[in-house]
This record gives sequence, structure tokens and C-alpha cells, in this order.
Amino acid sequence: DVQLVESGGGLVQPGDSLRLSCEASGFTFSRSWMTWVRQAPGKGLEWVANIKNDGREKYYEDFVQGRFTISRDNAKSSSYLQMNSLRVEDTAVYYCVKLEWLVLHWFFEFWGRGTLVTVSS
Amino acid sequence: EIVLTQSPGTLSLSPGQRAILSCRASQSITSNYLAWYQQKPGQAPRLLIYGASTRATGIPDRFSGSGSGTDFTLTISRLGPEDFAVYYCQHAKAFGQGTKVEI
Repeated sequence: DVQLVESGGGLVQPGDSLRLSCEASGFTFSRSWMTWVRQAPGKGLEWVANIKNDGREKYYEDFVQGRFTISRDNAKSSSYLQMNSLRVEDTAVYYCVKLEWLVLHWFFEFWGRGTLVTVSS
Repeated sequence: EIVLTQSPGTLSLSPGQRAILSCRASQSITSNYLAWYQQKPGQAPRLLIYGASTRATGIPDRFSGSGSGTDFTLTISRLGPEDFAVYYCQHAKAFGQGTKVEI
């Protein structure tokens, strides 16, 4: 079975940094694009970033450009999200997601349970 | 940038009834590249449909997707107690705002 287990969330102050980790199992991680999607309390889903299977291509939503960095370690079947200069509006549950492609159609095939990041003074 | 608008915001139905959820795109979506997700309270979303009409592995056949261009529909033919949840449509990086199906 596919499993995605996030860790690293917590309570931080505005301007702080946090690194989220996602440990994957049950599929060939090195062949899979990975994604982070977030959900603010009581709100909808918001795409954050994608990373290609070999780590050579990375894409970000505009609101995190220059502050967040997505990365991966295929030897450890893990994906990461380094978050710097955190803002109150970054408060959300962050989901690690396995991305799947159908020709040019990308969608979110498997989701982790999420890790809560709270940014508050 | 495509914007997805879901309607209605909330759908109040009873078990056994049919649910019809709409997702409208601000511009035509290439080759029906649209997906649907279900999210229950306190849980992560789950993929239901991709390619507008293909059910994901393990999804019951009471869930069906249809549509093309700018108008897409998720139909739940007979609502089970476990189907009361929030449903989201998605194309590329865009998500709809969700439709809550409640009893």
C-alpha cells in the first residue's frame, strides 16, 4: 500500500523557518513526481509546489516563490519542504502528495495525512 | 490562469438520493484534464476521478464524472452515509472552492 508520512509541523513565530519531511513507501519513489498541497483551517485546497522525479525541475505557486524550497532524496524515498520567512497566512495543514500524469494532465493520486503548521506570535 | 467555480456551495440530501455537483472552468480545459476529490472531516482528500470521467482505483461505480470544455459534473448515483463530505474539482494547480454534501 502507498504510504506518505509527513512530519516537521509545529507552532512557529512570523519570520521563522520550518522544514517539513515526507517519507514515502509502497511505490517507486524515484519515478514519481511529488507535490505539497496545503489547506488553511476551514478553507479549501491550495497547491504549493511540485518536484520532478529526478529533482531537476521544481515549480512553485507565486505566493511561496523565494520563501519555500521543495527538494527530495530518492535514496531515502523522501520529499522535503523548506519554509523560510513564514507568515501568519502560511498557517495550514500541509499535505505531501504523489503526483500522477495522464499525458499532460497532472492530478494528485495519493495523499499523506498532513502536518499542521501554525504561524503565530 | 484557469479559475474553477463549483456549485452549489452546499448540497443537502438524504441517503439514497442522487447528488449532482458542478465545476465550471473560466476557460476551456484541454482534453478534459479534470479531477475530483473527496474529503471527509479530519481526513486527507482522496482522488475519485481523473481525466474527467475515469474512476480511480477502488472508487465505487456510484461515482461518475462527465463533461467537457468548461462544464464538468460529478454524480453520486445513490448517496451512502459515507459519501457526506466535501468534494473538490482540480485542473493543474487550480482547485475549486469545494461543494459540501450534507444530510
